[in-house]
Amino acid sequence: ETGVTQTPRHLVMGMTNKKSLKCEQHLGHNAMYWYKQSAKKPLELMFVYNFKEQTENNSVPSRFSPECPNSSHLFLHLHTLQPEDSALYLCASSQDLALRGEQFFGPGTRLTVL
Amino acid sequence: SQKIEQNSEALNIQEGKTATLTCNYTNYSPAYLQWYRQDPGRGPVFLLLIRENEKEKRKERLKVTFDTTLKQSLFHITASQPADSATYLCALAGVNNAGNMLTFGGGTRLMVKP
Repeated sequence: ETGVTQTPRHLVMGMTNKKSLKCEQHLGHNAMYWYKQSAKKPLELMFVYNFKEQTENNSVPSRFSPECPNSSHLFLHLHTLQPEDSALYLCASSQDLALRGEQFFGPGTRLTVL
Repeated sequence: SQKIEQNSEALNIQEGKTATLTCNYTNYSPAYLQWYRQDPGRGPVFLLLIRENEKEKRKERLKVTFDTTLKQSLFHITASQPADSATYLCALAGVNNAGNMLTFGGGTRLMVKP
């Protein structure tokens, strides 16, 4: 439960606000991921970082901006979001991209865009 | 296009029975497949991984099969308990994927009644 933490757990923001989601992993992993989970839709991979380098941007709009200052921390900066961006945003980590193993997920941030 | 299908309808079973969940995929050549459990308001938790050259994997009351000819994985929970009630997600990583990037199915909700 405490391996991957996310803050805040809940966030309500207006369309003109700027906010950031934070993820921290205490597992010594090198790969970190952002996922979006909307109601009645599968988890969608947004961004992947491996050893602090972004390796995947899954056609995500520029109003979502990731940042990975080190292997333990991952941020998702939010700017001028739309109501359809309301969802559960999940962070995950894994040992690294080369080793095909399990991903460890945080509890998520429930985002509501008004 | 690539597709991963899980039964979107909830599966209701009686305590003590075996629950069987299905994951079908099309236009995909997965190198391995993973199953996760997700409780409401929480991130997914890894359960089992099975590779393309493995037919079956077991862990305590859980069993996963992987049939690359049928393009299907079955997930079984024997002697089910009310605590097994959750949504179960399958996830695939393709042969061509650069590393540990997963594509998730929509999940099947399991309800075990006492």
